[in-house]
Amino acid sequence: KAGVTQTPRYLIKTRGQQVTLSCSPISGHRSVSWYQQTPGQGLQFLFEYFSETQRNKGNFPGRFSGRQFSNSRSEMNVSTLELGDSALYLCASSLDRTGELFFGEGSRLTVL
Amino acid sequence: AQRVTQPEKLLSVFKGAPVELKCNYSYSGSPELFWYVQYSRQRLQLLLRHISRESIKGFTADLNKGETSFHLKKPFAQEEDSAMYYCAANFGNEKLTFGTGTRLTIIP
Repeated sequence: KAGVTQTPRYLIKTRGQQVTLSCSPISGHRSVSWYQQTPGQGLQFLFEYFSETQRNKGNFPGRFSGRQFSNSRSEMNVSTLELGDSALYLCASSLDRTGELFFGEGSRLTVL
Repeated sequence: AQRVTQPEKLLSVFKGAPVELKCNYSYSGSPELFWYVQYSRQRLQLLLRHISRESIKGFTADLNKGETSFHLKKPFAQEEDSAMYYCAANFGNEKLTFGTGTRLTIIP
């Protein structure tokens, strides 16, 4: 069974630009969660989607948004990038909303 | 506020010595608790969850409701245990809240 796939793996952007990250969950998993990982803060919850609906949202500004498609694939978007948005963005999928999370390798975003 | 605290950022232990990684949580109810591990160049993965009461790779964790703790323990550390360990909790809001992690290094 293929694992969670995230694209792109690495990207460099400049301040003010926007970025879209993609996540393909494990087949059959309907829940997709996004986390921001930084050395100082650890993993911080961004949002969670289940059957195309955002069910949970973390304490991030409105510049961070996401969506989930009917095939459970998910995207997250960050607009008007700031230097502090530099981080590893992790996607995780699960069968249901309370089960074990299976993580992707992450998308490493660098904002210059 | 609902929070998971891992007080040690770094922990070094000699091979064969006991290991204890600390985790405390702030919550008045009964959370569902997990330990996740990230080995070098690998994905973050589940190590164990308290409801299953399993021992994985020799690690165990006991929920202490009085001390609101869920420390991870192993009696004899092995070199392959070197990794980043994250404690996580579901506080009934169906999302996982992670601690900041502890980097465990096993000294040969």
